[in-house]
Amino acid sequence: AQRVTQPEKLLSVFKGAPVELKCNYSYSGSPELFWYVQYSRQRLQLLLRHISRESIKGFTADLNKGETSFHLKKPFAQEEDSAMYYCALLPYGGATNKLIFGTGTLLAVQP
Amino acid sequence: NAGVTQTPKFQVLKTGQSMTLQCAQDMNHNSMYWYRQDPGMGLRLIYYSASEGTTDKGEVPNGYNVSRLNKREFSLRLESAAPSQTSVYFCASWGSYEQYFGPGTRLTVT
Repeated sequence: AQRVTQPEKLLSVFKGAPVELKCNYSYSGSPELFWYVQYSRQRLQLLLRHISRESIKGFTADLNKGETSFHLKKPFAQEEDSAMYYCALLPYGGATNKLIFGTGTLLAVQP
Repeated sequence: NAGVTQTPKFQVLKTGQSMTLQCAQDMNHNSMYWYRQDPGMGLRLIYYSASEGTTDKGEVPNGYNVSRLNKREFSLRLESAAPSQTSVYFCASWGSYEQYFGPGTRLTVT
């Protein structure tokens, strides 16, 4: 079964501390993986996708096929990073581009 | 370029009432989606439309209907609202290897 698991509902860190938001997936093929972010009362927006190998707002994520993980990391958290983060998987070859979302992790960065 | 727009932003319904949530995109995307967002449940797909004239069920379609009116518009209808349908509803479209979301509709059913 295709599934995305985000084990933490809430992650609370202090400003300047490192952040790691966990994402594990279950998929038999080669997945395309994404991180979406939702700031308070705003729409979801794409943060990064693994095929781009980019760093956005200091965040990076590496696909580990052996551990089936795509954890989101940032070395020094900022208060403006406080938001809900969703990991999502796009099954390969799907004509409908249906993303499978995890349940989300709320990141709270304390001053 | 407004992206994905939704109306209304807020709505309160009584049990049994009906309503239609409107969604439009101006990015010429083929695929459109309706999600609901509930605490602890993440985003769950209600219905999607791969192209104009086609619709298909997602993970949680019961109690909802959709219409893909044209390439731009994709509406979601609640025929007889129930308290379990209290949620935030997001419309989205897919293009340029990314899903674009609307601002959401916060629906409360009493």
